[in-house]
Amino acid sequence: SQQGEEDPQALSIQEGENATMNCSYKTSINNLQWYRQNSGRGLVHLILIRSNEREKHSGRLRVTLDTSKKSSSLLITASRAADTASYFCATPTWDYGQNFVFGPGTRLSVLP
Amino acid sequence: DSGVTQTPKHLITATGQRVTLRCSPRSGDLSVYWYQQSLDQGLQFLIHYYNGEERAKGNILERFSAQQFPDLHSELNLSSLELGDSALYFCASSSGAGGRGNTGELFFGEGSRLTVL
Repeated sequence: SQQGEEDPQALSIQEGENATMNCSYKTSINNLQWYRQNSGRGLVHLILIRSNEREKHSGRLRVTLDTSKKSSSLLITASRAADTASYFCATPTWDYGQNFVFGPGTRLSVLP
Repeated sequence: DSGVTQTPKHLITATGQRVTLRCSPRSGDLSVYWYQQSLDQGLQFLIHYYNGEERAKGNILERFSAQQFPDLHSELNLSSLELGDSALYFCASSSGAGGRGNTGELFFGEGSRLTVL
């Protein structure tokens, strides 16, 4: 089973709107990371939030972390067509010997 | 540019063949991770090396093997290829050693797209 799972699987919005993606995980973590992947390209690190942080900002990105609910959300404000990509959450874990486990991702489409 | 270089970018081969994918990590990074990304399986962790030693093994098939050399570059060897091995193979590097205490970000290469016909 996945350590991290994003929700929704796909999201389509208009340019200028906000996009919110959620990630749930199962075991305790000391940090959670969000990555973006443009179609067929490598993943790019967006932001890392530590377990003792509840919220973090980076430009138009806002990430929250609720360790009691084992969940995180990524908010992209004032979205642009260039934000069209897949977004993944990743958690470090020792589960089954894995070091970083990625969820299946949310495919975001921002329509002009 | 992440600083991680993967070659080849594209590879087309036949079933039963053997291929080698190469990864040069970011300068100074000691950790190399390999991931497989296919349409129906998402991003699957294969194996992690730190400073030449295997640190963790994920869902890596016995037909697959990897190693990290003294200059820190890594190779992923895929043998007896099957149609289902067609996927994007990513290498990522990190300065950290991995594990639950690792808070470092991963830097991904652009991947090697393998097509098995």
